[in-house]
Amino acid sequence: DAKTTQPNSMESNEEEPVHLPCNHSTISGTDYIHWYRQLPSQGPEYVIHGLTSNVNNRMASLAIAEDRKSSTLILHRATLRDAAVYYCILQTGANNLFFGTGTRLTVIP
Amino acid sequence: ETGVTQSPTHLIKTRGQQVTLRCSSQSGHNTVSWYQQALGQGPQFIFQYYREEENGRGNFPPRFSGLQFPNYSSELNVNALELDDSALYLCASSLDGWDTQYFGPGTRLTVL
Repeated sequence: DAKTTQPNSMESNEEEPVHLPCNHSTISGTDYIHWYRQLPSQGPEYVIHGLTSNVNNRMASLAIAEDRKSSTLILHRATLRDAAVYYCILQTGANNLFFGTGTRLTVIP
Repeated sequence: ETGVTQSPTHLIKTRGQQVTLRCSSQSGHNTVSWYQQALGQGPQFIFQYYREEENGRGNFPPRFSGLQFPNYSSELNVNALELDDSALYLCASSLDGWDTQYFGPGTRLTVL
C-alpha cells in the first residue's frame, strides 16, 4: 500500500501561489513529512519537512492537517524554475522512508 | 563545500553479474542513503548508513549491500543482477540521519 498519494500533475500560472496536496492517511505519531523536488536529469532537492506544526522556510510553506492525515506544500509565487516533480515523503519511526509517486508541476508563463 | 558525486554515470551489465556503484558524500556528512528510481517512478529507499553502520533498510533483498568508509565515500553492491534492477541509483548524504539530504546526480544502470 502506498504511504502517500499525490495528484499526478498540476499546472500553475507564473507568479501565482501553488498548493500541492498529499494524503498520508496511515501516518503514525512519530512519522515525519518531507517534501523534495526533482528537476529532469537531476537528483531530488530538499524543499521542507515537518512533524505536526506548520513550517515555513525561504522556499515554501508546509501546512499539516490537524489529524495529520494530509498536508499541503505551498509555493507562494511560482516561477519557471519551480517546474519539477514534487515528492511527498513519509519518514517512519522504523527508520524507513517512503516516497510518493510525485506531482509534476507545470508553470505557465 | 563540494557536492555529492557518483560514479560511474552510466553502466551496462548482463543478468547474473555483480556491480559496485560509488558515492562521495559532502565532507562532514555522517549519513549516506541509497535509492533506486525506476523510469517514471519515485525513488525507493534501499538503505542508510551512519558512521559506517547500516542504520535502516527498505524492502530490498540481501543481494543489495553497502559499505561506508571513514573518508565520506560509500558503495552500493548488487549481486546476481536481474533485469528489474535496471534503474537510476541515487545516493544522498546528510549531516545526521534524516536531516536535509543532498543528492548526487545518480548512476544509470542497465541490465541486459
